[in-house]
Amino acid sequence: EDKVVQSPLSLVVHEGDTVTLNCSYEVTNFRSLLWYKQEKKAPTFLFMLTSSGIEKKSGRLSSILDKKELFSILNITATQTGDSAVYLCAVGKTYNNNDMRFGAGTRLTVKP
Amino acid sequence: DAGVTQSPTHLIKTRGQHVTLRCSPISGHKSVSWYQQVLGQGPQFIFQYYEKEERGRGNFPDRFSARQFPNYSSELNVNALLLGDSALYLCASSLAGTGAFTDTQYFGPGTRLTVL
Repeated sequence: EDKVVQSPLSLVVHEGDTVTLNCSYEVTNFRSLLWYKQEKKAPTFLFMLTSSGIEKKSGRLSSILDKKELFSILNITATQTGDSAVYLCAVGKTYNNNDMRFGAGTRLTVKP
Repeated sequence: DAGVTQSPTHLIKTRGQHVTLRCSPISGHKSVSWYQQVLGQGPQFIFQYYEKEERGRGNFPDRFSARQFPNYSSELNVNALLLGDSALYLCASSLAGTGAFTDTQYFGPGTRLTVL
């Protein structure tokens, strides 16, 4: 059975801190790993990773994938209160990248 | 451009009833997927439709069905509602059906279904 496990489940930090969110997976027919941010309802796309060792960056956010050890991390530097959200990790399948397996998410709270 | 839209935003039903949820994809997107997100968990894949055909199905009972229309909008139907069907139902659209490496799904705001 496919598994996507995120840790920690929740995290409370102060503005300016740096956080690392973890995602490990055991999924057959792996194609890609995706990160989404969910603030209220609609998850918003952050990154799609398909190759090991290549860091993707967007502003203060960055992510990397290790296909040998089957995990990914999402880093957020200089956190702001607007970063407070649930961060979801998902794995897309080779036969259909739209068939995604999600983890339970990490709830990040950034305090002023 | 408008993003993915869903209706209604909230819905309250009683056990045994039937419900229909609607989704309009981003203009130009031909693929629509449905997910169920129970409180405190990640979304679970229910269906994917592309060009009006089912392309993928998750591990959900036959009470769940869906269809896609010529304009690429989609409906999710759930019959004989159970208390456990209470969840946020998310719709996501993407350009392609099988998912090219650059294909990405964009989510709508969801429909919050409560079954009493």
